[in-house]
Amino acid sequence: AQTVTQSQPEMSVQEAETVTLSCTYDTSENNYYLFWYKQPPSRQMILVIRQEAYKQQNATENRFSVNFQKAAKSFSLKISDSQLGDTAMYFCAFMKQMGAGKSTFGDGTTLTVKP
Amino acid sequence: DTGVSQDPRHKITKRGQNVTFRCDPISEHNRLYWYRQTLGQGPEFLTYFQNEAQLEKSRLLSDRFSAERPKGSFSTLEIQRTEQGDSAMYLCASSPNNLQGTNYGYTFGSGTRLTVV
Repeated sequence: AQTVTQSQPEMSVQEAETVTLSCTYDTSENNYYLFWYKQPPSRQMILVIRQEAYKQQNATENRFSVNFQKAAKSFSLKISDSQLGDTAMYFCAFMKQMGAGKSTFGDGTTLTVKP
Repeated sequence: DTGVSQDPRHKITKRGQNVTFRCDPISEHNRLYWYRQTLGQGPEFLTYFQNEAQLEKSRLLSDRFSAERPKGSFSTLEIQRTEQGDSAMYLCASSPNNLQGTNYGYTFGSGTRLTVV
């Protein structure tokens, strides 16, 4: 079974600064997908960024980027130029293969962006 | 398309009662998922459908839980004889069969918050 660990329950950052959220996972699979989801206080989960394990290049979506280290089974999320609207809970998720079905989620990191 | 819709948004029920939740996915998405989320934890997988077929069900799901997607469109999740431990946010998500292009990953609904008293 796959496990996803987010070791930082809470983090804070000043507006316009950069913050990195950590995620590690455990799997015996070689092909899989990793995701970061954002859940703002309104509680609707939104996909932030996605990484395919077979791709060496780290995914980037505007101010969001990842540092994917396959050998270390690490998948961190970097948020640049933090904005107040980035305040949310962030979940790291693992999916065994494309469209296979279920994802395994970590327990989340609550990020607060301070003005 | 207005995204994934869940109804009701909140439900308070007495222990022992049955409850049913509804999820309307994005119309082009043939995969539909149910997750449960308790405070301070990540979503926990319950079950998922591809069209009308239920392809996987969590072993954590007791016999009191049942889900259907009769015509491959909307889905219902029923909990029979509710217990206080069932109190949680129940999330529905949908996705296309192939996670490619600009439409990828899950699209979640706003969830149904269940409180069992």
